[in-house]
Amino acid sequence: EAQVTQNPRYLITVTGKKLTVTCSQNMNHEYMSWYRQDPGLGLRQIYYSMNVEVTDKGDVPEGYKVSRKEKRNFPLILESPSPNQTSLYFCASRRQGGGNTIYFGEGSWLTVV
Amino acid sequence: AQSVTQLDSQVPVFEEAPVELRCNYSSSVSVYLFWYVQYPNQGLQLLLKYLSGSTLVKGINGFEAEFNKSQTSFHLRKPSVHISDTAEYFCAVSGSGSARQLTFGSGTQLTVLP
Repeated sequence: EAQVTQNPRYLITVTGKKLTVTCSQNMNHEYMSWYRQDPGLGLRQIYYSMNVEVTDKGDVPEGYKVSRKEKRNFPLILESPSPNQTSLYFCASRRQGGGNTIYFGEGSWLTVV
Repeated sequence: AQSVTQLDSQVPVFEEAPVELRCNYSSSVSVYLFWYVQYPNQGLQLLLKYLSGSTLVKGINGFEAEFNKSQTSFHLRKPSVHISDTAEYFCAVSGSGSARQLTFGSGTQLTVLP
């Protein structure tokens, strides 16, 4: 089954404690991306990757890092989380090309206290 | 730069009534347009998309949308809604040829009342 898998799905953490949200896709997609969803703001892109070892900033990259060492994996790293990073996070992937359908993971609820 | 405006943040409607969710976009290049649906506690899934050709696009679950270039709109419609259509709906635009620019609107919460 084609899918994008994120872990953890739910996490409560404390300010400053580094955390990683993993993302894996089994569709051999070149393009992967991270979004955060906040009430009234829709989905905002954090980082994206066009292929292995190629990453770029989205609209709200501050406080986040990513890496793309393998085609299937695209982890999101919060080096020093702060309360304003409390949000619902989605990983997504698609084949290269702006018209192709994006497939989303089920989301990761992150609370920073 | 491109942007998407969803004019209604909440749309309540009675079961079996028609519904229209409005979406307007702005872009300086040719675009692809999408509608995604998010059911409670789930990720987003594609309802339909416009790439080129016929301006009337049919999607899953009886939804359709019409691309209107002159009005820069891509409104979503369904002639008769069901309780199970209660969800949040997102309009999105992607610049043709651009990997980065998939921009989402702020979402419309559709609530179908019995």
